[in-house]
Amino acid sequence: NAGVMQNPRHLVRRRGQEARLRCSPMKGHSHVYWYRQLPEEGLKFMVYLQKENIIDESGMPKERFSAEFPKEGPSILRIQQVVRGDSAAYFCASSQAHSNQPQHFGDGTRLSIL
Amino acid sequence: DAKTTQPTSMDCAEGRAANLPCNHSTISGNEYVYWYRQIHSQGPQYIIHGLKNNETNEMASLIITEDRKSSTLILPHATLRDTAVYYCIVRPTQGGSEKLVFGKGTKLTVNP
Repeated sequence: NAGVMQNPRHLVRRRGQEARLRCSPMKGHSHVYWYRQLPEEGLKFMVYLQKENIIDESGMPKERFSAEFPKEGPSILRIQQVVRGDSAAYFCASSQAHSNQPQHFGDGTRLSIL
Repeated sequence: DAKTTQPTSMDCAEGRAANLPCNHSTISGNEYVYWYRQIHSQGPQYIIHGLKNNETNEMASLIITEDRKSSTLILPHATLRDTAVYYCIVRPTQGGSEKLVFGKGTKLTVNP
């Protein structure tokens, strides 16, 4: 029973490039969440998606960041024109549709900006 | 901001019970208490959650006070692999945000 799968585990980009982070939720999970952890800081919520819908994007930076969870395939967190401050660990979590179901996390993507 | 308060750090001897406290004095009647932990450089791991009754699973026990203003996570026989940062989080049951708000947590060190 595979858990939440994130890839790549490590991603290196130069300033100005695009970063695409992928997340495949656990089997049977239709809710996906993205969190960011800056160095030496706690996890911060970014966005909550259900299939083909963004439910809560209150934690997403206003520019350069976008997320999607298409009907088929993994959820994608996209960062355009990356800057050094985007260097962080990005974690994806998934849960079942029913309320009060715990979120289960992947092992994250470590993004480094040169 | 997190609605919980936890000690910054704790130590525990291997094989002994680890009791991690959490204050959530402003908790609402429709909010659950969730516990997660993060072992260095890994994703947060779900441990347990509860509303008002005490809960137990294969990993831990959760004791919630009758007034629900505080709780304690108990690891009955701590091992070196339990060294991690432990997060106590309150989250609405329904009608509220689905997001988890992480505070600074408690860094538990299990010593041999």
